[in-house]
Amino acid sequence: EAQVTQNPRYLITVTGKKLTVTCSQNMNHEYMSWYRQDPGLGLRQIYYSMNVEVTDKGDVPEGYKVSRKEKRNFPLILESPSPNQTSLYSCASSFIGTGELFFGEGSRLTVL
Amino acid sequence: QKEVEQDPGPLSVPEGAIVSLNCTYSNSAFQYFMWYRQYSRKGPELLMYTYSSGNKEDGRFTAQVDKSSKYISLFIRDSQPSDSATYLCAMSASSTLGRLYFGRGTQLTVWP
Repeated sequence: EAQVTQNPRYLITVTGKKLTVTCSQNMNHEYMSWYRQDPGLGLRQIYYSMNVEVTDKGDVPEGYKVSRKEKRNFPLILESPSPNQTSLYSCASSFIGTGELFFGEGSRLTVL
Repeated sequence: QKEVEQDPGPLSVPEGAIVSLNCTYSNSAFQYFMWYRQYSRKGPELLMYTYSSGNKEDGRFTAQVDKSSKYISLFIRDSQPSDSATYLCAMSASSTLGRLYFGRGTQLTVWP
């Protein structure tokens, strides 16, 4: 089954404790991206990647890192999480040029 | 000013009504326009993808783009309770997507 898989789906952590949210897709998509979704603000792009080893900043990259060492994986790293990073995080992928993003189920992160 | 503005609603209509959802934008470089539907606790799914100005129809859904007014619309004919969801507009200046900008989403309820 074609899908984008995120882990963990739910996480409660404390300020400053590094964490990684993994994202994996099995559709051989070139494009992958991360979003945070907050009430009243909609989806905001954090980082995107056009292919392996090619990443670029989106709208709200501060406090986040990404890497794209393999085509299928695009982890989101929070080196020192803070409470304002409490959010629903969504990973998405697509073939370049189609406009059709496939989203994962989302990862709800709470930073205390 | 946000790049993309979308009235969050909520919008509540009876079954069979015609629904009009709209977004405005400020960046004249945007050429690729998308509408996504998001059911509660699910990731967004692509409904419509259009390039530049004009109309595109797919079943009960019609997307319109007016680049001169920086205004896009999604019309839903013969609305059904199963159309109840949040509708998000998204846009990009590039066919490769790259930087992608979403509206806040409009919450729609269609009651029987």
